[in-house]
Amino acid sequence: EAGVTQSPTHLIKTRGQQATLRCSPISGHTSVYWYQQALGLGLQFLLWYDEGEERNRGNFPPRFSGRQFPNYSSELNVNALELEDSALYLCASSLPGFYEQYFGPGTRLTVT
Amino acid sequence: GDSVTQMEGPVTLSEEAFLTINCTYTATGYPSLFWYVQYPGEGLQLLLKATKADDKGSNKGFEATYRKETTSFHLEKGSVQVSDSAVYFCASETGGTSYGKLTFGQGTILTVHP
Repeated sequence: EAGVTQSPTHLIKTRGQQATLRCSPISGHTSVYWYQQALGLGLQFLLWYDEGEERNRGNFPPRFSGRQFPNYSSELNVNALELEDSALYLCASSLPGFYEQYFGPGTRLTVT
Repeated sequence: GDSVTQMEGPVTLSEEAFLTINCTYTATGYPSLFWYVQYPGEGLQLLLKATKADDKGSNKGFEATYRKETTSFHLEKGSVQVSDSAVYFCASETGGTSYGKLTFGQGTILTVHP
């Protein structure tokens, strides 16, 4: 069974630009979660999508947004990039109503 | 708010040594608790979980028991291997307004030498 996949693996952007990160959940999983793993800050919850709706949001500014498509894949968009947005962005998925989240390998975003 | 605190690292052990990584939580209500492991250059893998008090999660020789009285979920392994070298994260999920959100500890780097 294929796991959670994320693309691209690495992304380099300039301050002020926009970044789009993509995630495909495990087959049968309807929930997708996004986390930021920044150096020295640990893992921070960003967003949770389920059945196409945003269900919960962490303490991040509105320039962090996303969506979930009918096939349950998801995009994370980061607008007006700042240097401190440089981090590993992890996507996870779960079955409906289950606490267990399964993570992808992440997208490394570097903002210069 | 909810929080998870792990023991300071890094932890360095010789092969076959006993491992303990401490984890305590604060939460409103009764969270589900998890241990995740992150190998170099990879994402997080779910190692084990416990959803209610006194539950013991176990996997690949690792164990952790949900202790409500001490709000702890310490990770243990009787005999570590070099291949266990990784970063270990304790996490909680409380539900309510935090439903779907995993709260992570800061991570503990484990290095096992032959």
